[in-house]
Amino acid sequence: GAVVSQHPSWVICKSGTSVKIECRSLDFQATTMFWYRQFPKQSLMLMATSNEGSKATYEQGVEKDKFLINHASLTLSTLTVTSAHPEDSSFYICSARGRVREKLFFGSGTQLSVL
Amino acid sequence: KNEVEQSPQNLTAQEGEFITINCSYSVGISALHWLQQHPGGGIVSLFMLSSGKKKHGRLIATINIQEKHSSLHITASHPRDSAVYICAVRAGGGADGLTFGKGTHLIIQP
Repeated sequence: GAVVSQHPSWVICKSGTSVKIECRSLDFQATTMFWYRQFPKQSLMLMATSNEGSKATYEQGVEKDKFLINHASLTLSTLTVTSAHPEDSSFYICSARGRVREKLFFGSGTQLSVL
Repeated sequence: KNEVEQSPQNLTAQEGEFITINCSYSVGISALHWLQQHPGGGIVSLFMLSSGKKKHGRLIATINIQEKHSSLHITASHPRDSAVYICAVRAGGGADGLTFGKGTHLIIQP
């Protein structure tokens, strides 16, 4: 089956620094990528949807200037958490969808801890 | 906004038992996904349903659009089925993003 690679798996950073998370589709063209956040014992929450070559669409309450999403190619999307703060500590996970809308593939997730 | 409710929240069963996890949602949808999340966080998509029933191995998923309800069944459960099972719905009208339930934490004991 299709594979979505997400890196890094975990990252610890100091408050005020920026962190970039990559999501790659390895064997298909991801026309749409989704970024989610999950706090402990909570549901996954959609942060933003990005289509290749266009600006991401952010969900209500998600700051687009803080969570920068770039989807420059059909195989790569990045999420940059800018000026991270401890409250940004969370599990971030991406998913990718190809031209066949039925199929949705998830990355392995990134655990972010901001000290 | 769609409200997605799953039950039970936690389920512990013995190996071999038949497992049922339920999902209800409040607003009409275009599709419903069942996902499996293992410790460490990785997520696998098990099914996408818009009507009827789907079967894959020991897993069966059903959906009743009129009642806004879906069930995930596991037959002959095994300890390796232990995971969090998540129901997620996609709204109609061409919307892309999913709304997730809180998940059902399943433990199958040998």
